[in-house]
Formats: sequence, C-alpha cells, structure tokens
Amino acid sequence: GENVEQHPSTLSVQEGDSAVIKCTYSDSASNYFPWYKQELGKRPQLIIDIRSNVGEKKDQRIAVTLNKTAKHFSLHITETQPEDSAVYFCAARVPDKLIFGTGTRLQVFP
Amino acid sequence: NAGVTQTPKFQVLKTGQSMTLQCAQDMNHNSMYWYRQDPGMGLRLIYYSASEGTTDKGEVPNGYNVSRLNKREFSLRLESAAPSQTSVYFCASSDRITGELFFGEGSRLTVL
Repeated sequence: GENVEQHPSTLSVQEGDSAVIKCTYSDSASNYFPWYKQELGKRPQLIIDIRSNVGEKKDQRIAVTLNKTAKHFSLHITETQPEDSAVYFCAARVPDKLIFGTGTRLQVFP
Repeated sequence: NAGVTQTPKFQVLKTGQSMTLQCAQDMNHNSMYWYRQDPGMGLRLIYYSASEGTTDKGEVPNGYNVSRLNKREFSLRLESAAPSQTSVYFCASSDRITGELFFGEGSRLTVL
C-alpha cells in the first residue's frame, strides 16, 4: 500500500525566513497531494494541494512542488510569521483513501 | 452548515469496555474516513467508506469495526478497548472529485 514519509519532524525558523518540508510517496498511482495545517488542539485544515498533472502551485506565501518521477513533493513557506507555527502534514491519495505523513512541527520565533 | 460532527468529544474507558464513536456529515459527500492521531505518528487511517454501503480497512484496522449507516453517518466501534487505543480520533469526509478532506473536531479517548 501507499507509504508517505515526511521530513523533518521538527523545524525552527526565525520570523521572515523560509521553511521547507519534504515528502516522498511510494505508490505511483497517487494523483493528489494535499498539505494540512493543524494548530494545537484543533482539527487539520487544508492549506494547499496539487494534482499529478501539475508541477508547481502557489498561493500567496505558500507553494507546493511535485516531482512525479522522483515521487517527491515539498511545501515552501516564505516570509514566515509566528502564526505559521503549527504541525503540517503532507498526504498522498490513492483511489478512495488519503494516506498522511507523520507531520512536521514548525516553530517560528519572533 | 455544521460540516462534520463527531461525538463524544471526550471519553474515558476501562480496558475491555466497548463504545461507539458517532460521525455525521451534511455536505453530501460520498466518502468518509476514520483516522487516529498519536504523537509522532501523524494521522493513521483506520477504516474508510468510499460510498454508502461499502467499507474498507485502512492502515490500522485491528480492534475496530465500522458501520456506514447511510450516506451521512459513519460510526466506529471498539468492541473491547485496550490501552493502546488511547488516542485522538478524527472522522472526515470528502468529495470524490476534489479529494479535499473535511475533518470533525476530534474525539479524545483514554483507555485505562
């Protein structure tokens, strides 16, 4: 079955710096790759996603890139702010189910 | 528009007791899911239902059963709770076209 690996598990950056989180997946049939943000005590919420026919997608300060050949996708956050502090999860979708990575705890220090 | 509603929000059980987590969505989604979240292990899929009348095992199904009661409701049952099932449980639903998952608020279960 699908396996999603996510790195790093923790990431600390200074406010204004960039943050990059990387994920790899195993199933070449995966066709949808979302990223979720989870604040402490809250439910995960979608922040950006990318489909297998697209290489890059950007939404203001966040962007996601996908390399289908390498089975690798990444989340990029620029100009980080304290409110970006949260746990971020990548995921890969094979038909009918979404498999998540183990999460990255991002801390942005003022 | 409530989205995904799950109950209860908190529950404490003794080893061997049984309980059912309830989940309902009002977005007319075909697919529904149950995940568990443990520190350092992300969100692991327990069971899912791609459409009304079907259920399938996910990554960690042992010790659980599910029922897709109708299009709106998907319940998760622990027949004989074990301390290893202490976790936060999330129900979610998705539109099969977009794939976006919408989560409930979570249910924190402690098994003593």
